[in-house]
Amino acid sequence: DADVTQTPRNRITKTGKRIMLECSQTKGHDRMYWYRQDPGLGLRLIYYSFDVKDINKGEISDGYSVSRQAQAKFSLSLESAIPNQTALYFCATSSGSTGEQYFGPGTRLTVT
Amino acid sequence: QKEVEQNSGPLSVPEGAIASLNCTYSDRGSQSFFWYRQYSGKSPELIMSIYSNGDKEDGRFTAQLNKASQYVSLLIRDSQPSDSATYLCAVETDSNYQLIWGAGTKLIIKP
Repeated sequence: DADVTQTPRNRITKTGKRIMLECSQTKGHDRMYWYRQDPGLGLRLIYYSFDVKDINKGEISDGYSVSRQAQAKFSLSLESAIPNQTALYFCATSSGSTGEQYFGPGTRLTVT
Repeated sequence: QKEVEQNSGPLSVPEGAIASLNCTYSDRGSQSFFWYRQYSGKSPELIMSIYSNGDKEDGRFTAQLNKASQYVSLLIRDSQPSDSATYLCAVETDSNYQLIWGAGTKLIIKP
């Protein structure tokens, strides 16, 4: 079984709709991250969490919110989706001791 | 602003040759450096971590770090068509332990 899972894997939604992307991990890591990737661009950090009570904004948090329900679960919400939020979204985890991050398979989100 | 720079490529290398990928970074206090491989439409996969100056070898991969020059590289020996992918360089910042990502170098191995 995959260590980091994301649901859904693909989603098409309309402008203005609320969307939630979910991430679960079995690696036992404390740190979790949400990134987006646009074609030809690098990974950009949306939010990160070092533990259940520690949630921080990344470089592009506007239009997004997150919830850390448990050590193993970290959800990303788009309150009112807009077309320029069409992207590939990745969840990642890290133990913190090495800095190494491990990624889920990604969610391809299309906002029409 | 802290930055990680990579040549976007594509870098075309014959099968069996050595592929050399380069990355420079701006945060002089960075201590941890990573190379990831990403196939089109897939998630990044960690290949190598390096924390000390010098070379680190793992199979066909060698990471090289020069903190004085703020430079990290990845060498792939005996390149295979399956190595064709985008290679991302990531550097951990000294201030808040986040990874700053390069935009990636697209590598094409020609049979």
